[in-house]
Amino acid sequence: GAGVSQSPRYKVAKRGQDVALRCDPISGHVSLFWYQQALGQGPEFLTYFQNEAQLDKSGLPSDRFFAERPEGSVSTLKIQRTQQEDSAVYLCASSLAGGQGEKLFFGSGTQLSVL
Amino acid sequence: GNSVTQMEGPVTLSEEAFLTINCTYTATGYPSLFWYVQYPGEGLQLLLKATKADDKGSNKGFEATYRKETTSFHLEKGSVQVSDSAVYFCALGTGSARQLTFGSGTQLTVLP
Repeated sequence: GAGVSQSPRYKVAKRGQDVALRCDPISGHVSLFWYQQALGQGPEFLTYFQNEAQLDKSGLPSDRFFAERPEGSVSTLKIQRTQQEDSAVYLCASSLAGGQGEKLFFGSGTQLSVL
Repeated sequence: GNSVTQMEGPVTLSEEAFLTINCTYTATGYPSLFWYVQYPGEGLQLLLKATKADDKGSNKGFEATYRKETTSFHLEKGSVQVSDSAVYFCALGTGSARQLTFGSGTQLTVLP
């Protein structure tokens, strides 16, 4: 596609529900990143994939957060047993190779509200 | 660890005014520095970048110079337009870690 596509655009969940957020990166982009952006803050790194391999998951806040990219293209971020503090915008970004200094292309994000 | 400290907003300017948004950083190694911009209703997009000391990044009339001695990467524009109204994020990336570290963002509003 022309850009990074994320769905759904908005998600409302009751506390304790599981949610799945989808990211469709730019075709051919090797690297894929997930970020969490709280209201009024900058994005914070969650996890990074190179093709299907998850090379860094140091930013995932707890074991309730899980991400996968099984075929090296589309990625899913899953949050189990959601809590109110999980409310944020979840951003996906991709890049051609992921080297230092390389431009990231961001999606518009999924805004998650946990009630 | 890495961190980015960004000038707090919001910033409100009149059209054609001079803009400076301050950004300082702490990093291990030799980072690359970035400014990303988020226009209303859109995703983050790269505005400019610099990958080594004394490099100047520029785009759309915006400039920022990588100053290693002051660990700064301040964003400037000589004459802002209403269409520049957006949130601006300073960020850094280092070679050993693929992810970017972002500042908290500065909301800019330009009035006609």
